[in-house]
Amino acid sequence: EPEVTQTPSHQVTQMGQEVILRCVPISNHLYFYWYRQILGQKVEFLVSFYNNEISEKSEIFDDQFSVERPDGSNFTLKIRSTKLEDSAMYFCASSLRLAGEDTQYFGPGTRLTVL
Amino acid sequence: QQPVQSPQAVILREGEDAVINCSSSKALYSVHWYRQKHGEAPVFLMILLKGGEQKGHEKISASFNEKKQQSSLYLTASQLSYSGTYFCGTPLSGGATNKLIFGTGTLLAVQP
Repeated sequence: EPEVTQTPSHQVTQMGQEVILRCVPISNHLYFYWYRQILGQKVEFLVSFYNNEISEKSEIFDDQFSVERPDGSNFTLKIRSTKLEDSAMYFCASSLRLAGEDTQYFGPGTRLTVL
Repeated sequence: QQPVQSPQAVILREGEDAVINCSSSKALYSVHWYRQKHGEAPVFLMILLKGGEQKGHEKISASFNEKKQQSSLYLTASQLSYSGTYFCGTPLSGGATNKLIFGTGTLLAVQP
């Protein structure tokens, strides 16, 4: 069964450093997402991406964040200058159709620890 | 604006039933249910589109009452594997959106 994959599974970085989280969505999916989950809390929407551009973003997704689909398979989330409060689990997800009407499949996540 | 789930936590014995509720102060276009085990990604259970439908998958089913702006997840004859945190998600601004807002979560623990 096709699945969303993410690398690395765990990333440790120093405050102020840049990190890139990588995702490979399900191959025929058209919509891509990043979510964040701080330990013990609910899953929070960050951004959605369709047709090579951001379609929606949350207030969390400020200028420190960017997303890119550099080729036909990868989808990346970049945090330019990490802060302690960026420590969280980051999930990538993808869907074939709009989120409101279709299933989103989540990847296994990347645990980001900012020291 | 996030959906509110109840109860916050529930402990069951194997074989018992449980109901998890998800309600919103805003109109619901669709409701998505996920289960997340500790340290793992959310796993999709089912999606309900507006129309008051009920869907089921083996011993897990759900209903969606558009007028009452709520959905309920029914777990029948619970198994140990049902343990985890259950989240409902909804596109609060309608169907033509890619922004899924998740509820507060319900922790379900099934004991032998």
